[in-house]
Amino acid sequence: SYVLTQPPSVSVAPGKTARITCGGNNIGSKSVHWYQQKPGQAPVLVIYYDSDRPSGIPERFSGSNSGNTATLTISRVEAGDEADYYCQVWDSSSDHPVVFGGGTKLTVL
Amino acid sequence: EVQLVETGGGLIQPGGSLRLSCAASGFTVSSNYMSWVRQAPGKGLEWVSVIYSGGSTYYADSVKGRFTISRDNSKNTLYLQMNSLRAEDTAVYYCARDATLGGWGWFDPWGQGTLVTVSS
Repeated sequence: SYVLTQPPSVSVAPGKTARITCGGNNIGSKSVHWYQQKPGQAPVLVIYYDSDRPSGIPERFSGSNSGNTATLTISRVEAGDEADYYCQVWDSSSDHPVVFGGGTKLTVL
Repeated sequence: EVQLVETGGGLIQPGGSLRLSCAASGFTVSSNYMSWVRQAPGKGLEWVSVIYSGGSTYYADSVKGRFTISRDNSKNTLYLQMNSLRAEDTAVYYCARDATLGGWGWFDPWGQGTLVTVSS
């Protein structure tokens, strides 16, 4: 089955740019969605279809996807961005069609 | 407003059964792909099961043969019947809607989650 690999943690200073990667075999051929989860809360969609942003999500959040890596980029990081981030794809040819990455803990220093 | 509300979690002994419900409002559950996703304490998100709008169902290997996903169109509710529960099934269980009518899309919204604790 398809596997998505994320770094367990990323640290960034306030005001700087955080990049969270999501690796998968030829992931560039799939649509990648990103979720933010804060402690005790349900996940919230922050990026869909690789780079589209839902209403209400700041423009500081952006995404890209090419080759074997998708990337969630958070510009001008704020303390409130500290959370776990998960990437997700569909593997439509599989009996296990929904795949999540292992998650990345973003720490704002 | 599109909303999902899960109920049915609780403390259950190993080997027991539990049925989770996910009541939907603002849309029709049979029109969208609907999934259950769980999160064990301190762990990441784990996909559990999906039911397609056409009715096909799929399961993670960890629950296949023990869990059954279903929906009641008249109640606009999604279910997860969980049998032969194990300690490793302890988690917060979320239901989530694939926001695209054709499937293969993003999950939005998610329910608030319901905690299932399997322990003697």
